[in-house]
Amino acid sequence: KQEVTQIPAALSVPEGENLVLNCSFTDSAIYNLQWFRQDPGKGLTSLLLIQSSQREQTSGRLNASLDKSSGRSTLYIAASQPGDSATYLCGAGGSYIPTFGRGTSLIVHP
Amino acid sequence: GAVVSQHPSRVICKSGTSVKIECRSLDFQATTMFWYRQFPKKSLMLMATSNEGSKATYEQGVEKDKFLINHASLTLSTLTVTSAHPEDSSFYICSARDAVGGVESSPLHFGNGTRLTVT
Repeated sequence: KQEVTQIPAALSVPEGENLVLNCSFTDSAIYNLQWFRQDPGKGLTSLLLIQSSQREQTSGRLNASLDKSSGRSTLYIAASQPGDSATYLCGAGGSYIPTFGRGTSLIVHP
Repeated sequence: GAVVSQHPSRVICKSGTSVKIECRSLDFQATTMFWYRQFPKKSLMLMATSNEGSKATYEQGVEKDKFLINHASLTLSTLTVTSAHPEDSSFYICSARDAVGGVESSPLHFGNGTRLTVT
């Protein structure tokens, strides 16, 4: 059974810092890895999707990498802003249905 | 981008009543939709996979007679919480994937969730 762990569970940083959020998964037989953002009381917004054959994806200040063999993915946020404050979840896609971590709660203070 | 619309966003009901939650894919067709439940500071718990035109597949421990799922069209799935009790109070979220394109390259899109409070 796939297990997904996200570290750290919570993070508080001043504005402008570059951040790395970590996601690890136990079963490397995944078809993709997706990163999401969740604001309080809301659903999940898809940020980046990395297919199993890819190593990384970039969108604006976000960069996500995938190392299937080691069961790891990282989400890099450059020049963080207060508007980035949210919970970030990763979902490891296997057997058609993805498994999610508990998320990293990020606070970026001005 | 792909949008999944979920209604209502918030509902309060009395114990013993039933509540229906709708999940619609607005600009794509979804042969499969997923229903999740989320507890505070916990990960998403998959409840069931909703399949268009056929019965839903429920995860172990989820009562199918209590959580009725109907996926009558390629753009609409509904979750009905029957005879709701306070312990059913939770945040329910649906998601869908575009039927066009492979699983590997098609992202999951989520609704905004429904906060259910049973009094």
